[in-house]
Amino acid sequence: AQSVTQLGSHVSVSEGALVLLRCNYSSSVPPYLFWYVQYPNQGLQLLLKYTSAATLVKGINGFEAEFKKSETSFHLTKPSAHMSDAAEYFCAVRNSNDYKLSFGAGTTVTVRA
Amino acid sequence: DVKVTQSSRYLVKRTGEKVFLECVQDMDHENMFWYRQDPGLGLRLIYFSYDVKMKEKGDIPEGYSVSREKKERFSLILESASTNQTSMYLCASSLPGEVNNEQFFGPGTRLTVL
Repeated sequence: AQSVTQLGSHVSVSEGALVLLRCNYSSSVPPYLFWYVQYPNQGLQLLLKYTSAATLVKGINGFEAEFKKSETSFHLTKPSAHMSDAAEYFCAVRNSNDYKLSFGAGTTVTVRA
Repeated sequence: DVKVTQSSRYLVKRTGEKVFLECVQDMDHENMFWYRQDPGLGLRLIYFSYDVKMKEKGDIPEGYSVSREKKERFSLILESASTNQTSMYLCASSLPGEVNNEQFFGPGTRLTVL
């Protein structure tokens, strides 16, 4: 069974600084990988997904993530944080032969003015 | 615009009550899912359904059951609510197949069991 580890349950960044959220997965087969964002009192919204095409994936709101098979990682970055990026972020993995997603524990991002 | 709706945003129930959480999607998706979300644990899959009247247990099905009588509606049932079922419940839906099958989520129901 696959699992997802998000390093750091809380990340605090200054407005305009780099946002880096780490995600490592364990999977015995090439996975599909996702980043979701959850704003306060809302459901989850898809930021981006990796589906075995380009290893660098661009998503909404200026986020991108890079799939590194050798490191089993799918870290999420944004060059310049905005106050509106304050939210909880979840990494998720799905095997190609399965419908189910396995989620990480989540990382809460706060942005300091 | 794709939409997944859940019947209540907030719900307060008493221990031992039977609780129904309803989810409706308007995207004609085959797959539907129920998760619970708890701080520090992320989302954990309770049940999912890949077709009408079909269901499969997820990672934490104990204490829950589901019903899918119509394609667009997926219900989560707590037969006898307990305080440890106080949580945020999220419904999601997706298309089948390997690509373009990201899950779309509803806004969630925050359930408190007293």
